[in-house]
Amino acid sequence: EAAVTQSPRNKVAVTGGKVTLSCNQTNNHNNMYWYRQDTGHGLRLIHYSYGAGSTEKGDIPDGYKASRPSQENFSLILELATPSQTSVYFCASGAQGDNQAPLFGEGTRLSVL
Amino acid sequence: GQQVQQSPTSLVLQEGENAELQCNFSTSLNSMQWFYQRPGGSLISVFYNPSGTKQSGRLTSTTVIKERRSSLHISSSQITDSGTYLCAMDSGTGGYKVVFGSGTRLLVSP
Repeated sequence: EAAVTQSPRNKVAVTGGKVTLSCNQTNNHNNMYWYRQDTGHGLRLIHYSYGAGSTEKGDIPDGYKASRPSQENFSLILELATPSQTSVYFCASGAQGDNQAPLFGEGTRLSVL
Repeated sequence: GQQVQQSPTSLVLQEGENAELQCNFSTSLNSMQWFYQRPGGSLISVFYNPSGTKQSGRLTSTTVIKERRSSLHISSSQITDSGTYLCAMDSGTGGYKVVFGSGTRLLVSP
């Protein structure tokens, strides 16, 4: 069964600390995405990837890095976390051109104190 | 840049009433989708609807590309329909980059 799994599901971090959010998909999708969701903004795209080894900047990449070491895994890295990065983060995977919506993970709730 | 405007921002219905959710796009689009999200939950695709009308049970989506708009109609609403409905568009430029609206929060009460 197609799945996108995020870990951790909840995270509390301190300002200035490093945070890594992980995403794994078993769908053999080429494309993977990281979004954050905040009240009043919907979902905003941070980084995305077309395949292993590729990362692309989305609409709000500042303060975030991404890593795609394999087809299955896509990580979002906050090198120096700030309180403004407190949010809910969603990972998604999709296959470009197959007329299907991307599949989303359950989300990671991050609080930066 | 691409913008997606959803309306209304929130909606309260009595069970059994119908709802009409709107989505307007600032640029031409290649595809659009409707998603449903429970509070604190993930997003579930409801419709992938590049153009025309699609129906699934009590839900109907209509997209008019040349007018840059899409609607989601919920008939005979049920309490379990409560949640947030988001529309998203892909302009077809720069790869598969989906832009979301802010969502409509729907509450269906008994």
